[in-house]
Amino acid sequence: DVQMTQSPSYLAASPGESVSISCKASKSISNYLAWYQQKPGEAYKLLIYSGSTLQSGTPSRFSGSGSGTDFTLTIRSLEPEDFGLYYCQQYYEKPLTFGSGTKLEIK
Amino acid sequence: EVQLVESGGGLVQPGRSLKLSCAASGFTFSNYYMAWVRQAPKKGLEWVATISTSGSRTYYPDSVKGRFTISRDNAKSSLYLQMNSLKSEDTATYYCARLQRDYFDYWGQGVMVTVSS
Repeated sequence: DVQMTQSPSYLAASPGESVSISCKASKSISNYLAWYQQKPGEAYKLLIYSGSTLQSGTPSRFSGSGSGTDFTLTIRSLEPEDFGLYYCQQYYEKPLTFGSGTKLEIK
Repeated sequence: EVQLVESGGGLVQPGRSLKLSCAASGFTFSNYYMAWVRQAPKKGLEWVATISTSGSRTYYPDSVKGRFTISRDNAKSSLYLQMNSLKSEDTATYYCARLQRDYFDYWGQGVMVTVSS
């Protein structure tokens, strides 16, 4: 199985700051990587797929980069609504696997 | 607007069965692969099952293979998950999700399943 190592597990930042979340795969997954966001009381939301393609409706302050084994989600100029949980997921092969998650909180 | 609404969760004893349902609306259900994903309390996400558009192909991780069965009724725009021989480690919130290739572009709000005596 492809193991996804996500870091950090917790991140505190202030509105207006930029943050990055890392996701590393245990083998090359090309660009078959997606990023999700969950806010309390809401459904999970797809932010990015194919490593760097923004899903329709995802604000442009979000960006994804990387290929192979190393990927990064960057959020520029944090807005209050960006705080929540973030997960990466590989879909290069089954079983589909997720990172362990990053909780982004307001400092 | 795409909507996925899960139902059927609850408290069940170890070894018993439970069937989850997901009602889909806002899109042509029969055109999409569908899946179930779960999240144990304070844990990460785990993919549970995938089904093809016609229902002829299904996929499972080893953790549930042989115990869980995913199915669908395209006429009713509904997805199901039959869970047998439940274990305490199956306790989780179960999410219905629409698939694009093998990533999840829409998720339901989830339904809680607790396996306990």
